[in-house]
Amino acid sequence: ETGVTQSPTHLIKTRGQQVTLRCSSQSGHNTVSWYQQALGQGPQFIFQYYREEENGRGNFPPRFSGLQFPNYSSELNVNALELDDSALYLCASSLAGDQDTQYFGPGTRLTVL
Amino acid sequence: GNSVTQMEGPVTLSEEAFLTINCTYTATGYPSLFWYVQYPGEGLQLLLKATKADDKGSNKGFEATYRKETTSFHLEKGSVQVSDSAVYFCALRGGSNYKLTFGKGTLLTVNP
Repeated sequence: ETGVTQSPTHLIKTRGQQVTLRCSSQSGHNTVSWYQQALGQGPQFIFQYYREEENGRGNFPPRFSGLQFPNYSSELNVNALELDDSALYLCASSLAGDQDTQYFGPGTRLTVL
Repeated sequence: GNSVTQMEGPVTLSEEAFLTINCTYTATGYPSLFWYVQYPGEGLQLLLKATKADDKGSNKGFEATYRKETTSFHLEKGSVQVSDSAVYFCALRGGSNYKLTFGKGTLLTVNP
């Protein structure tokens, strides 16, 4: 139990639609990162938020965007869904200053048809 | 850029066998190194970590040593259990940001 929750657990969308995934971090964790894990692959870094500002981004297009809120929750938004967006999406939270301890949520499984 | 290469699976062992999963990395500077475990249907759990050369991370009977000269961080356990069946990911964090770079994962199955 990491104290990080994600919703929904599973989601099915069709190509071209938009989706919002949610993450609730541990209290006091002011840094959140999002990862995409395709089937049979390791997680790939999407972006990171610190104090509600984007603080680093991986090799993902602008249709992947995020928000972080003062109550330690965050969102990942994906527009114009493509079939290749089907994956497990993981969020990870941590305390500023302790970059080596990140707590992962259980993930949201997104299927794009 | 940073990268992690780990032993391709799947790995199938009998209970009480010795486990080694190889991991090598490419990074500038002095990255922190990690092993994460993912049980079926769950997210990632940190298994162990090492933050500087020659450090040994250990947890639940697993251990790995940060070898800078060979850029390796191999995972070992002396006697595996059925409950160790999971996917194991080697990862690194380099520089001043939080980004983790993962290997592709190794599926371990332990049979009774």
